[in-house]
Amino acid sequence: AAGVIQSPRHLIKEKRETATLKCYPIPRHDTVYWYQQGPGQDPQFLISFYEKMQSDKGSIPDRFSAQQFSDYHSELNMSSLELGDSALYFCASSLGALVTEAFFGQGTRLTVV
Amino acid sequence: KQEVTQIPAALSVPEGENLVLNCSFTDSAIYNLQWFRQDPGKGLTSLLLIQSSQREQTSGRLNASLDKSSGRSTLYIAASQPGDSATYLCAVSGGATNKLIFGTGTLLAVQP
Repeated sequence: AAGVIQSPRHLIKEKRETATLKCYPIPRHDTVYWYQQGPGQDPQFLISFYEKMQSDKGSIPDRFSAQQFSDYHSELNMSSLELGDSALYFCASSLGALVTEAFFGQGTRLTVV
Repeated sequence: KQEVTQIPAALSVPEGENLVLNCSFTDSAIYNLQWFRQDPGKGLTSLLLIQSSQREQTSGRLNASLDKSSGRSTLYIAASQPGDSATYLCAVSGGATNKLIFGTGTLLAVQP
C-alpha cells in the first residue's frame, strides 16, 4: 500500500539558508500535518491543511511557511535557518480532517550547521 | 490545554517478561489515541489506534486499553523480545482539528 512520502530524507543547510521540505500524502488523503521533533523531544505539531486550506496552526515560527497544493502535496518552507531548527520533520496525512487515523512519513532529518 | 504524560520514562526488562506502559492525558474530550514505536533517529511506526468509543485494541503481542473518563491508556506487551527495544509514544487527537498531541515517551530496553 502507498505510504506518505517525504523528501528529501536528509538535508544539511548552513545558518541563514533556506530549506524546503516536501510531503506527498497517501492517495485520496486530503489532510496533511507537519510535526517537528527536536533531539530527545516528543513531536510537536506545526501546522495542518485540509482541502488546501490551513486548518490549524501550532508552534510554528514566523520564519516557516507551508502550503498544500492542488494535488494535495504539501511543502514546508523554512527561511533564515537557525541551529535550533535542526530536527526531524514529520509529515502525516489522513482522509478527512476529524476523527480519522493519521499516517506518518519517515521524516526529513534537517541539520543546520 | 491538552497534556500527555507517559510513565515510566525508561524501562529495562529481561527478555520474555510481560510489561505495561502507561499514558495519561488531561482533557478527556479526545477523538482517538494512538500508540507509536520509534527506533533511534527513525520515523514513527503506528502500533495501535483506539477510537474514543472503544475500550481496547489488540495486535499480536500488543494490547492497548483506553479509559477516556479517567484520562488513561495502557499498552501491554506480552513476552517481550529484544527487538521490542525502542521508544514508545502515545498521542491523542481532539479539539477543532485532528492534530496529535504526543506524550513524552517511554524508552524500553529488553535485555537478551
